[in-house]
Amino acid sequence: EAQVTQNPRYLITVTGKKLTVTCSQNMNHEYMSWYRQDPGLGLRQIYYSMNVEVTDKGDVPEGYKVSRKEKRNFPLILESPSPNQTSLYFCASSRDRAINTEAFFGQGTRLTVV
Amino acid sequence: DQQVKQNSPSLSVQEGRISILNCDYTNSMFDYFLWYKKYPAEGPTFLISISSIKDKNEDGRFTVFLNKSAKHLSLHIVPSQPGDSAVYFCAASALLRGSTLGRLYFGRGTQLTVWP
Repeated sequence: EAQVTQNPRYLITVTGKKLTVTCSQNMNHEYMSWYRQDPGLGLRQIYYSMNVEVTDKGDVPEGYKVSRKEKRNFPLILESPSPNQTSLYFCASSRDRAINTEAFFGQGTRLTVV
Repeated sequence: DQQVKQNSPSLSVQEGRISILNCDYTNSMFDYFLWYKKYPAEGPTFLISISSIKDKNEDGRFTVFLNKSAKHLSLHIVPSQPGDSAVYFCAASALLRGSTLGRLYFGRGTQLTVWP
């Protein structure tokens, strides 16, 4: 089954404690991206990757890091989480960098930073 | 600054009637537009898209209209069904031009409720 898998689904952490949210896709997609969803703000792009070892900033990259060492995985790293990073996070992938192709989203990771 | 705007946070429609969800954009470089639907506790799912070379795209009950001069697009759902109740996000990208290649901009979403 074609899917994008995020882990964990729910996470409560403390300020400053480094964490990683994993994202994996099984569709051999080139393009992957991270978004955060906040009430009243919709979906905002954090980082995206057009291929292995190619990453770039989206709208709200501050406080986040990503890596794309292999095609299927695109982890989101919060080196020193802060309460303003409490949000619902989505990973997405699509076939190629021309993002007119349908993007598949993961189920989401609800992160709470206290 | 929000480049894709969905000014109606919510819309309520009776089953069987037409739902019209609106979206405006400010960046004239955008040349591809998409609609996503999101149910609670799930990720968004792709619904329908349109290229700027068209002004209409239809898929079953869903039709998207694009008015480039007004920088406006709309999603029509006919007939509306209770299962259509979800948050609908409009999104835009610049596929062919500009430094924003690879970026996808979303609106804030419209909660559609279809009642029996």
